[in-house]
Amino acid sequence: AQKVTQAQTEISVVEKEDVTLDCVYETRDTTYYLFWYKQPPSGELVFLIRRNSFDEQNEISGRYSWNFQKSTSSFNFTITASQVVDSAVYFCALSEGAYNTDKLIFGTGTRLQVFP
Amino acid sequence: EAQVTQNPRYLITVTGKKLTVTCSQNMNHEYMSWYRQDPGLGLRQIYYSMNVEVTDKGDVPEGYKVSRKEKRNFPLILESPSPNQTSLYFCASSLSIPRGGQNEQFFGPGTRLTVL
Repeated sequence: AQKVTQAQTEISVVEKEDVTLDCVYETRDTTYYLFWYKQPPSGELVFLIRRNSFDEQNEISGRYSWNFQKSTSSFNFTITASQVVDSAVYFCALSEGAYNTDKLIFGTGTRLQVFP
Repeated sequence: EAQVTQNPRYLITVTGKKLTVTCSQNMNHEYMSWYRQDPGLGLRQIYYSMNVEVTDKGDVPEGYKVSRKEKRNFPLILESPSPNQTSLYFCASSLSIPRGGQNEQFFGPGTRLTVL
């Protein structure tokens, strides 16, 4: 069965600290896609990244980086030098290619609070 | 501007009073879906549509109906709303060609529904 687990319900850090948000997934499919979305206090969902199961290269985008490890079924997200504007709920999600749909299976989210 | 729009953004209603939440996208996407977001549960798919006149149940379809008569529109219908349908609802769309699963989903701004 497909599942995404975000064990950290809430994380609080002080500005400029680095923070890692954990994501562990379960799937039987060999072709799948992993996503991260950000939901700021305003409520909209902001797409951050998509990775496919064949590409384990880590990715860096500014202060954001992602570590994809198939061996541990994890797709962790790190924010370096966090800022108050990073305060949001972050969702990790899984999409399986076998079903030929774009259905997303979401984790329960991690609320990040960055204090000045 | 490419976007998914939802209306209304906020709605307070009473038990049993039929309502419709509209969703429209201007990107010519084949795939559209509805999710609901509840605290501690993340987002869960309600219904989805692969194309015009093709709809199917997601993970939590009870109490909801949808229709897809035009490619751009995918309304969510609550025939007899109940308090347990109080939630934040998101409409999403994506291209499902050439292969599902990999495509970025574009989300609407969300509709916050309260059923008294």
